[in-house]
Amino acid sequence: AQKVTQAQTEISVVEKEDVTLDCVYETRDTTYYLFWYKQPPSGELVFLIRRNSFDEQNEISGRYSWNFQKSTSSFNFTITASQVVDSAVYFCALRNTGNQFYFGTGTSLTVIP
Amino acid sequence: NAGVTQTPKFRVLKTGQSMTLLCAQDMNHEYMYWYRQDPGMGLRLIHYSVGEGTTAKGEVPDGYNVSRLKKQNFLLGLESAAPSQTSVYFCASSYGTYLAGYTFGSGTRLTVV
Repeated sequence: AQKVTQAQTEISVVEKEDVTLDCVYETRDTTYYLFWYKQPPSGELVFLIRRNSFDEQNEISGRYSWNFQKSTSSFNFTITASQVVDSAVYFCALRNTGNQFYFGTGTSLTVIP
Repeated sequence: NAGVTQTPKFRVLKTGQSMTLLCAQDMNHEYMYWYRQDPGMGLRLIHYSVGEGTTAKGEVPDGYNVSRLKKQNFLLGLESAAPSQTSVYFCASSYGTYLAGYTFGSGTRLTVV
């Protein structure tokens, strides 16, 4: 069975603080992709990143970075020097060889100015 | 390039009324999906389609029907709306390769009173 767990339901940080959003997944497949999506207050779902199961290199994109560790089945997302515009709900998702994604329940991030 | 377009964006229904949500994509994607998003529950798959003329049940299919008569369109129907179907509905599409990412529509906010 596939499962994605985002244990942090809500997080609040003060602007400019760093914040890490946790994502733990379960799958028996050896081939899979992991995704992060952002849902700002406007409601749309915005793709952030995709990583495949064979590439454990961490990735940095501006203030965003992702730490993929197969040993702990985690794909954590860090925002450095958070900004108010980062306030959103963030979803982690897994897609394996099946036809669908498995989403976590989301983490609501509030960045306080 | 419109991507995935959902109509309508907002709708209020009375209990027992019926309606159809339309999802249209112009990317020639094989796969299309309908999700509902409820607070604290993340995104749950209602139905999906792996090609024109095909549909399959997802995690929460009861009370909904779907049709995929044309490759670019995926319709979600509510035959007799219930307050429990108050939700935000997202359509998504992807290529047929099983590890492709999703493109989401902007969502439909449905309220059943």
